[in-house]
Amino acid sequence: EAQVTQNPRYLITVTGKKLTVTCSQNMNHEYMSWYRQDPGLGLRQIYYSMNVEVTDKGDVPEGYKVSRKEKRNFPLILESPSPNQTSLYFCASRPGQGSGQPQHFGDGTRLSIL
Amino acid sequence: DQQVKQNSPSLSVQEGRISILNCDYTNSMFDYFLWYKKYPAEGPTFLISISSIKDKNEDGRFTVFLNKSAKHLSLHIVPSQPGDSAVYFCATDQGGSEKLVFGKGTKLTVNP
Repeated sequence: EAQVTQNPRYLITVTGKKLTVTCSQNMNHEYMSWYRQDPGLGLRQIYYSMNVEVTDKGDVPEGYKVSRKEKRNFPLILESPSPNQTSLYFCASRPGQGSGQPQHFGDGTRLSIL
Repeated sequence: DQQVKQNSPSLSVQEGRISILNCDYTNSMFDYFLWYKKYPAEGPTFLISISSIKDKNEDGRFTVFLNKSAKHLSLHIVPSQPGDSAVYFCATDQGGSEKLVFGKGTKLTVNP
């Protein structure tokens, strides 16, 4: 089954404790991306990657890091989480570059930073 | 500056009637417009898209209309069903840029 898998699905942690949210896709997609969803703000892009070792900032990259060492994996790293990063996070992928290709989303990771 | 606007946070319609969800955009360089549907506790799923060179695209009960002069698009659902109750996001991408922009979403409730 084609899917994007995120882990963990839920996490409660404390300010300053480094955490990583993993994302893996089994569709051999070149493009992967991270979003956060906040009430009243919709989905905002954090980082995206067009291929292995190619990443770029989205609209809200501050406080986040990503890496793309393998095509299937695109982890989101919070080096020193803060309460304003409490949010619902989604990873997504699509086949490659080019307009109009729909993205496949994971089921989300709800992070609470205390 | 919000490039994609969904000005109605919520919409309620009766089963069997038409649902119309609206989206306005500011950048005339957008190539494609996509609609996603999101149920609680799930990720968004792709619904329908339209190229900027077209003014209508239809897929079953779902039709998207694009008015380029007004920089406005709308999603029509006919007939609406209770299972259509979800949050709908309008999204755009721009040729040559891989940054995707989403609207804030409209929560549709279809009452039986």
